[in-house]
Amino acid sequence: RKEVEQDPGPFNVPEGATVAFNCTYSNSASQSFFWYRQDCRKEPKLLMSVYSSGNEDGRFTAQLNRASQYISLLIRDSKLSDSATYLCVVTGAGSYQLTFGKGTKLSVIP
Amino acid sequence: DGGITQSPKYLFRKEGQNVTLSCEQNLNHDAMYWYRQDPGQGLRLIYYSQIVNDFQKGDIAEGYSVSREKKESFPLTVTSAQKNPTAFYLCASSGSGRNQPQHFGDGTRLSIL
Repeated sequence: RKEVEQDPGPFNVPEGATVAFNCTYSNSASQSFFWYRQDCRKEPKLLMSVYSSGNEDGRFTAQLNRASQYISLLIRDSKLSDSATYLCVVTGAGSYQLTFGKGTKLSVIP
Repeated sequence: DGGITQSPKYLFRKEGQNVTLSCEQNLNHDAMYWYRQDPGQGLRLIYYSQIVNDFQKGDIAEGYSVSREKKESFPLTVTSAQKNPTAFYLCASSGSGRNQPQHFGDGTRLSIL
C-alpha cells in the first residue's frame, strides 16, 4: 500500500458545484495532516491543516477518520480560481518529514 | 516580507557540471528541506536539516549534497553523479517542533543542456 494515496482525477466540475477529494494513508502513527494546493508550475501552498474533530475554513471543510486512515476535503460553491491540484500531506509519528500524495487535479468549468 | 527565496528560477546544467541551487529564508525557521518534483509526480524528499550544521538524507539523496552553515540558508548542489537532474526543485522550511506544516519557496527549474 502506498504511503499516501489520492485519486489523481481530473475532476471537472461546473462553477458552483460541491466537490470532495479523498486520501488514504498507511502509517497509523501519523500525527499531523494537511491539504496543500498547487497551481500549474508553481510551488505548493498550505490550504489548511486537518484536525481530529474536523475543521472548516470558508468554503473548505476537512475531515479526518483515524480508524479508517482517511482524510477528506470538501469544496462548496466551486470557483474558477479553485482550479488546481490538491495535495494530501501526512507526517510520520513525531516526525519532521512530510509525505505528499501525488495530488488530485480539479478543473472548475464556467 | 517574510518568506523563502529560491534562486535562480531557471538553471541549465552542462553534462559533468555541478550546480548549486540557493534557498534563503527569513522566517526564523529551524528546519529546512529540499524536494524534487517530476512531471505528474509527487514531491520526493532529497535532504532535510533540523538545525544548523546538521542535515539528514531523504529518500533520494544520491547525486546531491547540502550544507547548513547558517540558519537562514540551505543550498543544494546537484552533482554530476545525478544522471537525471531535470526536475522542479522546491525548498521548504518549518517552525520549531514536530508535525509543523512546511512553507515553500517558488522553486527552481533545472534542465540539462
